[in-house]
Amino acid sequence: AQSVAQPEDQVNVAEGNPLTVKCTYSVSGNPYLFWYVQYPNRGLQFLLKYITGDNLVKGSYGFEAEFNKSQTSFHLKKPSALVSDSALYFCAVRDSNTNAGKSTFGDGTTLTVKP
Amino acid sequence: GAGVSQSPSNKVTEKGKDVELRCDPISGHTALYWYRQRLGQGLEFLIYFQGNSAPDKSGLPSDRFSAERTGESVSTLTIQRTQQEDSAVYLCASSLVTGWWTEAFFGQGTRLTVV
Repeated sequence: AQSVAQPEDQVNVAEGNPLTVKCTYSVSGNPYLFWYVQYPNRGLQFLLKYITGDNLVKGSYGFEAEFNKSQTSFHLKKPSALVSDSALYFCAVRDSNTNAGKSTFGDGTTLTVKP
Repeated sequence: GAGVSQSPSNKVTEKGKDVELRCDPISGHTALYWYRQRLGQGLEFLIYFQGNSAPDKSGLPSDRFSAERTGESVSTLTIQRTQQEDSAVYLCASSLVTGWWTEAFFGQGTRLTVV
């Protein structure tokens, strides 16, 4: 079984400040973790993924995420937020024994960056 | 094409009518997935196709839902006798393979409203 939780429905930050969007997961095997972003009236866009290797993963648009096995977390971060980062962010997890299409997605976190 | 294409982008239908949603995956992508996204919620897996293998239909919510795919090309998701609870955005995604390392590429979705 696999599950993912995004504990915050909404995150508000000021432009230029660091941002964190939280994600925790539960899987029975090894976790494969993904972050997607959804802009209004658009499909999901892939940001980054953790499969194996370094715990700090760098992705698109300056985002990065840190895999923490002991805390079963994969928080999305960016050192300096932009107004254009405002969007809906989804964390997804897949058990190593599960096929790609059956990733479990969180309910999403709306990020609002204010000027 | 350059990306995953879905049509129509919006569909309003009367309760009890049948609807067909179309997905054109990225050329060469062998795997295709359908998800449902209800307002304010995460993605709900519906069905997955991989090449000529039997599709994984484990996410279809009822027998009113069905999907077809011809080879490695277009897929159609059919909802019969639509109900108001079927109102959602239906997202299609494709990927090269269903291996653990691959991310999915999403279309912009079809917003279905059942009135």
